[in-house]
Amino acid sequence: QAALTQPASVSGSPGQSITISCTGTNNDVGAFNYVSWYQQYPGKAPKLMIYDVSYRPSGVSNRFSGSKSGNTASLTISGLQAEDEADYYCSSYRGSTTRIFGGGTKLTVL
Amino acid sequence: EVQLVESGGALVQPGGSLRLSCAASGFTVSNYEMNWVRQAPGKGLEWVSYIHVTSTTKYYPDSVKGRFTISRDDAANSLYLHMNSLRAEDTAVYYCAKAFFSGMDVWGQGTTVTVSS
Repeated sequence: QAALTQPASVSGSPGQSITISCTGTNNDVGAFNYVSWYQQYPGKAPKLMIYDVSYRPSGVSNRFSGSKSGNTASLTISGLQAEDEADYYCSSYRGSTTRIFGGGTKLTVL
Repeated sequence: EVQLVESGGALVQPGGSLRLSCAASGFTVSNYEMNWVRQAPGKGLEWVSYIHVTSTTKYYPDSVKGRFTISRDDAANSLYLHMNSLRAEDTAVYYCAKAFFSGMDVWGQGTTVTVSS
């Protein structure tokens, strides 16, 4: 099953805002408000940052926000900090029986 | 503390079998939907199985369907992944993860499976 499409890399300077896109189809991102986002540091397990398109789990900074338009979901990080440098993955339901991930985006804080 | 701890990863020959375990603490596995997710070396995340609270509904992607089976032992508060007919492309770190709405909010540290002769 084809993964969701994310840019391979994005970068930004401290204090700036960046947005990572996640493009799917009418069968996944566009069909459900079931998009989630994960942050992963090298050698570590992923951490849930956003669920159900735009909701933040308890403890996640409000600098992280999620949105969706049509078949494309987005993760925005405002007030970029050095600690935000990590890999980010989106995920969606595809139909009722399948979960899919994006290919991942490496965020570099300049 | 809510925690998941995977075990059982190993070096196995192509065509072989392996059972991964995921022990939960701080919550009851049978009260939540659970998943297994893997990550091949240097690659992205790939979902590989799901089990419903009732344990009667299980889902798999085409890449592992018919070869992998997810199960749960409520008495042991543990989740398992039975893997058969292993292939080189199954080489990965395997994570168990607790579902939280459409996301997965609790992850284990991962266990490494290497399929090679």
